[in-house]
Amino acid sequence: SQTIHQWPATLVQPVGSPLSLECTVEGTSNPNLYWYRQAAGRGLQLLFYSVGIGQISSEVPQNLSASRPQDRQFILSSKKLLLSDSGFYLCAWTDRGRLYTSPLPFGNGTRLTVT
Amino acid sequence: DQQVKQNSPSLSVQEGRISILNCDYTNSMFDYFLWYKKYPAEGPTFLISISSIKDKNEDGRFTVFLNKSAKHLSLHIVPSQPGDSAVYFCAARERGSNYKLTFGKGTLLTVNP
Repeated sequence: SQTIHQWPATLVQPVGSPLSLECTVEGTSNPNLYWYRQAAGRGLQLLFYSVGIGQISSEVPQNLSASRPQDRQFILSSKKLLLSDSGFYLCAWTDRGRLYTSPLPFGNGTRLTVT
Repeated sequence: DQQVKQNSPSLSVQEGRISILNCDYTNSMFDYFLWYKKYPAEGPTFLISISSIKDKNEDGRFTVFLNKSAKHLSLHIVPSQPGDSAVYFCAARERGSNYKLTFGKGTLLTVNP
């Protein structure tokens, strides 16, 4: 069966510090991968998605970047965090062979607090 | 421009009664709609979905209704249980979009014993 892992679960970082959040998926190959963020009082907003290694699409201009160095690994980064980067970050994936028949499973998320 | 709207930030119901959560959308290109349930500090978990070619989908206590002409969908939970207390997100996928989902802001459902 497929599983998705995100770490760390919680993170407290000072303004101006770098960020690296990692997501890996097991039990599948060539998945579509997604980074979402839930900011306080807001819904889930799509930040980045990837349809293959090295292929990243950005949905909103921001202080963050994403990379996909391996097929089942998706990394969210920042060189200098802002207060507004605080939020709950969620990784999701989907089987490209079932894009139109299955829901989008999410990881357990990372709670980022920028102080 | 909010393409998926959940206008009720919260809803409180008694155990055993029906919970009805509503969602409106504006994008006519949405072809697949999903409901997710989320507990604090956890990722959303999938509940139920409906394709735009249907108007109803049922799974146990959960039923989703889609009214395409009104661009409205609703989630019915019958009977409601205290364990259903969570934030419910409505999400929509645009046809041919690589499964990019647009989410509403969520509705906090509280089921009182």
